[in-house]
Amino acid sequence: SQTIHQWPATLVQPVGSPLSLECTVEGTSNPNLYWYRQAAGRGLQLLFYSVGIGQISSEVPQNLSASRPQDRQFILSSKKLLLSDSGFYLCAWSVRLGLAIITDTQYFGPGTRLTVL
Amino acid sequence: SQQGEEDPQALSIQEGENATMNCSYKTSINNLQWYRQNSGRGLVHLILIRSNEREKHSGRLRVTLDTSKKSSSLLITASRAADTASYFCATDAGGFKTIFGAGTRLFVKA
Repeated sequence: SQTIHQWPATLVQPVGSPLSLECTVEGTSNPNLYWYRQAAGRGLQLLFYSVGIGQISSEVPQNLSASRPQDRQFILSSKKLLLSDSGFYLCAWSVRLGLAIITDTQYFGPGTRLTVL
Repeated sequence: SQQGEEDPQALSIQEGENATMNCSYKTSINNLQWYRQNSGRGLVHLILIRSNEREKHSGRLRVTLDTSKKSSSLLITASRAADTASYFCATDAGGFKTIFGAGTRLFVKA
């Protein structure tokens, strides 16, 4: 069966420090991968998505970047954190439906709670 | 602006009652999904309904889709305290993107 891991679960970082959040998926190949951010009591904001190794699409211009060095690994990074980067970060994956460019069920990781002080 | 928006923002009911949440969206879709999120956790997929479907059931869940009104509803029958969570609708936004609404926070009192 497929599983998705995220770490760390919680993180407290000072303003200006770097960030690296990691997400890995097991039990599937060539998934679509996603990073979302969720502010307290709000919906999800799509930050990045990837349809293959090295292929990253950015949805919101910001202080963050993403990389996909391996098929089932997705990393969210920042060189210098801002206070506004605080939030709950969720990684998700979905099955690639052949050549179809369409979204389907997404499977979410447990999330990382980031607090920037 | 968000593709999907849920209504109401919050809902409080007694155990055993039915809970109905609505979602409206703006552009044409291929499918619409409902997810659940317990506090501080990741989202869990509940049900997906395709644009050519009008109604779908899964256990105590019933989802309807009206593409002419660009709206969907999620009905949870015979609610339980364990159903307390936030519920989100999500629509495809073209390409591989999914747009989530702000969610409905459901509280079921025992």
